Amino acid sequence: RKEVEQDPGPFNVPEGATVAFNCTYSNSASQSFFWYRQDCRKEPKLLMSVYSSGNEDGRFTAQLNRASQYISLLIRDSKLSDSATYLCVVGSSNTGKLIFGQGTTLQVKP
Amino acid sequence: DTEVTQTPKHLVMGMTNKKSLKCEQHMGHRAMYWYKQKAKKPPELMFVYSYEKLSINESVPSRFSPECPNSSLLNLHLHALQPEDSALYLCASSPQGGRNTGELFFGEGSRLTVL
Repeated sequence: RKEVEQDPGPFNVPEGATVAFNCTYSNSASQSFFWYRQDCRKEPKLLMSVYSSGNEDGRFTAQLNRASQYISLLIRDSKLSDSATYLCVVGSSNTGKLIFGQGTTLQVKP
Repeated sequence: DTEVTQTPKHLVMGMTNKKSLKCEQHMGHRAMYWYKQKAKKPPELMFVYSYEKLSINESVPSRFSPECPNSSLLNLHLHALQPEDSALYLCASSPQGGRNTGELFFGEGSRLTVL
C-alpha cells in the first residue's frame, strides 16, 4: 500500500462545477497535511495547508479526517485556470519526511 | 516568483560526464531537500538536509552526491548517470529543521537529460 494515495483522474468538469478530491494516508503518526498545485512542466506550489478544524480559502475548502486518515479538497465554481494536477502531501514527525501522493489531474472545460 | 533559485534550468549530459545542480535560498530556512520527478509522476524524495547535515537519504544511488556548503546552498553532484536518471530535479526548502515537516518552498527545477 502506498503511503499517500490519490485517484489520478483525470477529472473532466465544466466551468462552474464543484469538484472534490480525496487523499488517504497510511501513517497514523502523520501530523502535517497540504494540498499543492502543479501546472504542466512547472514546480509544485502550495495551494493550502490542511488543519484539523478544516479551512477555507475563497473557492477552496480543505478538510482533515484523522480517524479515517484522509484529507479532501473541494473546489467550487471551477474556473478554466483551475486546470492542473493537485498533489496531496503528508508529513510525519516520526520519519521527518514529506510524502507526495501521485496527484489528481483536473481539466476544466468551457 | 520563487525564492528558491535553481541552476541550471536545463542540463544535457553524457553518461561519462560530471556535472552539478545548484540550489540557493535566502529565506533563512533550516531544511533543504532534493526531489526527483519523472513525467506524470509525483516528486520522489531523494535527500533531506537539516541544519546543514544530511538527515535523510532515500537509498539514492551513489552516482548522486549531495552537498550542503552552508545554510543557503545545496548542491547535487552527478557522475556516471544513466539515461533513466533523466528527470526534473526539484530543490525545496522548509522553515524548520529536525523532524518538523512544514510547508515546502520549491525552486523551478533543473530538467536533466542523460544521453
